[in-house]
Amino acid sequence: DIQMTQSPSTLSASVGDRVTITCRASQSISTWLAWFQQKPGKAPKLLIYKASSLESGVPSRFSGSGSGTEFTLTISSLQPDDLATYYCQQYNGYPWTFGQGTKVEIK
Amino acid sequence: EVQLVESGGGLVQPGGSLRLSCAAFGFSFSSSTMNWVRQAPGKGLEWVSYISSSSSTYYGESVKGRFTISRDNAKNSLYLQMNSLRAADTAVYYCARKLPSGAFDIWGQGTMVTVSS
Repeated sequence: DIQMTQSPSTLSASVGDRVTITCRASQSISTWLAWFQQKPGKAPKLLIYKASSLESGVPSRFSGSGSGTEFTLTISSLQPDDLATYYCQQYNGYPWTFGQGTKVEIK
Repeated sequence: EVQLVESGGGLVQPGGSLRLSCAAFGFSFSSSTMNWVRQAPGKGLEWVSYISSSSSTYYGESVKGRFTISRDNAKNSLYLQMNSLRAADTAVYYCARKLPSGAFDIWGQGTMVTVSS
């Protein structure tokens, strides 16, 4: 199975800060990577697919980059509504696997 | 409106069975690839099972041989038959649509399954 490792597990930042979350795959997944946002008690929401493509309706402050085994999700200017846990997911091959999540807190 | 609505969760004893349903609205269900993903309380996301538009299926190792995914295109519905349930199966179960590109773009609100005596 392809293992996905996110860092950090938790981060605390101020409104307006630039925030970066890293996701590493245990083997190359090309750009078959998605990022999700999950707010407490809610279903995950797709933010980014194919590593860097922004899902329709998602604010442009979210961006993704990377290929192979190293990927990043960047929030260019953190907003109060961004309080959530973020997950990466590889869909290069079965079984599809998720990172353990990064909880973003607002200072 | 494009949406998925799960139902069928509840409390079940270890070794018991439960059938989850997921109703699809607002898109072409019959041509869509569908998945079940679960999330144990306070934990991360775990992919459980997949069914293609032609009913090919895949399962995660932790549920293989115990869970069965199926679909009824006439009813725009997805199902997950769960047998031999264990405490470790306790989770919120989400259904999700998988795009041809691979991303899971539509998710239901989830249904809670609790396995406990």
